Amino acid sequence: AQSVAQPEDQVNVAEGNPLTVKCTYSVSGNPYLFWYVQYPNRGLQFLLKYITGDNLVKGSYGFEAEFNKSQTSFHLKKPSALVSDSALYFCAVRAPGGGNKLTFGTGTQLKVEL
Amino acid sequence: GAVVSQHPSWVICKSGTSVKIECRSLDFQATTMFWYRQFPKQSLMLMATSNEGSKATYEQGVEKDKFLINHASLTLSTLTVTSAHPEDSSFYICSAKPSGNREQYFGPGTRLTVT
Repeated sequence: AQSVAQPEDQVNVAEGNPLTVKCTYSVSGNPYLFWYVQYPNRGLQFLLKYITGDNLVKGSYGFEAEFNKSQTSFHLKKPSALVSDSALYFCAVRAPGGGNKLTFGTGTQLKVEL
Repeated sequence: GAVVSQHPSWVICKSGTSVKIECRSLDFQATTMFWYRQFPKQSLMLMATSNEGSKATYEQGVEKDKFLINHASLTLSTLTVTSAHPEDSSFYICSAKPSGNREQYFGPGTRLTVT
């Protein structure tokens, strides 16, 4: 069975500082990995995904994520945080050949302060 | 492109009544649609997967007689919560997947409150 762990319920960072939101996964085979962002009372917005190729994936709004196979991690990063980045972030995994089923982590609340 | 809408965005109903939530793909055809449930400050839990023209596949623990899913066309899926109870109050999110090697697109969610 596939699973995703987001070890931090909340991450606080000052505006302008770099941010990292952690994600580790467990899946059989090569994973398809995703990051989504959710604003209050809204659905999920796609940020980026890793399927294959370059370990560093660039996505929307200046976010990027690095796939690390040996550490089974897919941490989300941004060089300079904005207050408007404050939201709930979900990491998700899909197993190859596992249909279209996404398994989500429990989410990390990012709070960017002035 | 790739916009998914849900209607209504929020609904309040009385205990014992049924409520229908619609999920539409506005600018693409969705061969597969998914229904998720999200409790406050928790992750999304997949409830069921539906393919156009066939019966939905429910995840373990989800009552198919309570959560009726219909995927009658390539742009519309509906979730009906039958005989709703306060514990059914939640945020329901759908997603839609085009054919081919493309990912799911998520709707904005529907907040259901059962009184």
